[in-house]
Amino acid sequence: DVKVTQSSRYLVKRTGEKVFLECVQDMDHENMFWYRQDPGLGLRLIYFSYDVKMKEKGDIPEGYSVSREKKERFSLILESASTNQTSMYLCASSPGQGGMDEKLFFGSGTQLSVL
Amino acid sequence: AQRVTQPEKLLSVFKGAPVELKCNYSYSGSPELFWYVQYSRQRLQLLLRHISRESIKGFTADLNKGETSFHLKKPFAQEEDSAMYYCALETSYDKVIFGPGTSLSVIP
Repeated sequence: DVKVTQSSRYLVKRTGEKVFLECVQDMDHENMFWYRQDPGLGLRLIYFSYDVKMKEKGDIPEGYSVSREKKERFSLILESASTNQTSMYLCASSPGQGGMDEKLFFGSGTQLSVL
Repeated sequence: AQRVTQPEKLLSVFKGAPVELKCNYSYSGSPELFWYVQYSRQRLQLLLRHISRESIKGFTADLNKGETSFHLKKPFAQEEDSAMYYCALETSYDKVIFGPGTSLSVIP
């Protein structure tokens, strides 16, 4: 079974802090994604990566950055956390080969609260 | 513009009644469409995709390019179908975007 592991289930930070959310996948997937999930808004794509050291902005990249130094790890960075970044953050990966096996595998999420 | 819309935030049906969760998309290329489901306290997971044309847990979805729709249907709802359902669109370069989701509640 593919495992996508997010390092923290719950995180509480203060406004202005630098926050790191870590995600690791164990199936050699090419693609990795960061979403935030908010009631009524669904999942909104922050950033994604289709290869090591490659990144693409999603629909709401402002206030976030990412790092993918190794294929299995995709980090989301909040340079200076703000209260409007309080949300559930979901990491996902996909094989990137197309075809019938192509789908997203999700982590269990990190609920971030910024006070 | 690439966009996925799901007009119903909440949908309640009685057990045994038919269910239809609506999804519309806008995308200029050839779309790959999916339905993902999140049961209570579980991870988001794939329910079905349009290219497979299969039925999963009694659900089916047909891609209608003319109406740019990918509605999810089930003839007889079960209590265990209560969950959050998201329609998703895969664009070029493997970018996947989601709709706002529909919360389905099946009343016993």
